[in-house]
Amino acid sequence: QQQVKQSPQSLIVQKGGISIINCAYENTAFDYFPWYQQFPGKGPALLIAIRPDVSEKKEGRFTISFNKSAKQFSLHIMDSQPGDSATYFCAAWSTGNQFYFGTGTSLTVIP
Amino acid sequence: KAGVTQTPRYLIKTRGQQVTLSCSPISGHRSVSWYQQTPGQGLQFLFEYFSETQRNKGNFPGRFSGRQFSNSRSEMNVSTLELGDSALYLCASRTGMSSYEQYFGPGTRLTVT
Repeated sequence: QQQVKQSPQSLIVQKGGISIINCAYENTAFDYFPWYQQFPGKGPALLIAIRPDVSEKKEGRFTISFNKSAKQFSLHIMDSQPGDSATYFCAAWSTGNQFYFGTGTSLTVIP
Repeated sequence: KAGVTQTPRYLIKTRGQQVTLSCSPISGHRSVSWYQQTPGQGLQFLFEYFSETQRNKGNFPGRFSGRQFSNSRSEMNVSTLELGDSALYLCASRTGMSSYEQYFGPGTRLTVT
């Protein structure tokens, strides 16, 4: 059973556009929601994360929007750049437990 | 501070063989987790070790095992390799079980022929 569902599987965006990746979860015990960015040949790198007591968190061009009642959260990449082309994973975690990952979104930003 | 290191980076094995992968966490990190990454399944959790004890375990067969040493370094072993075990095996470390910041190594690419 997939604890975290991620969509879309792949995404193509023009340079300067907004990339949006969505995730949904069921377990209300989750209390930390990170996003990871992975380039080919590299391990995932922590990009940005949010706690459920906050509805939005912004770091540079990256924003997480969190909807606790809908049990959904999303990553928005503003002014997308070719260098943002990578695979993005959402995840969910609760203290003492394992991290659950989404299946990943392959983002391609076209110059 | 050095990141998570994994050795070897690439490995080719034959069906039926066994393999041992190694992971050195970031200095000061005592929790080490292992993941299997495949194109179709994404990141699948294998197990997590803290203070030399397995704390969490994913849904993998008993052919997959691990251990952690007193210096927090960890090894993962896969016995009786199957073609479906071909994957990128990632190790991640964090300071402890209550820490939510997890850092990944570059992975070991295992190919089973």
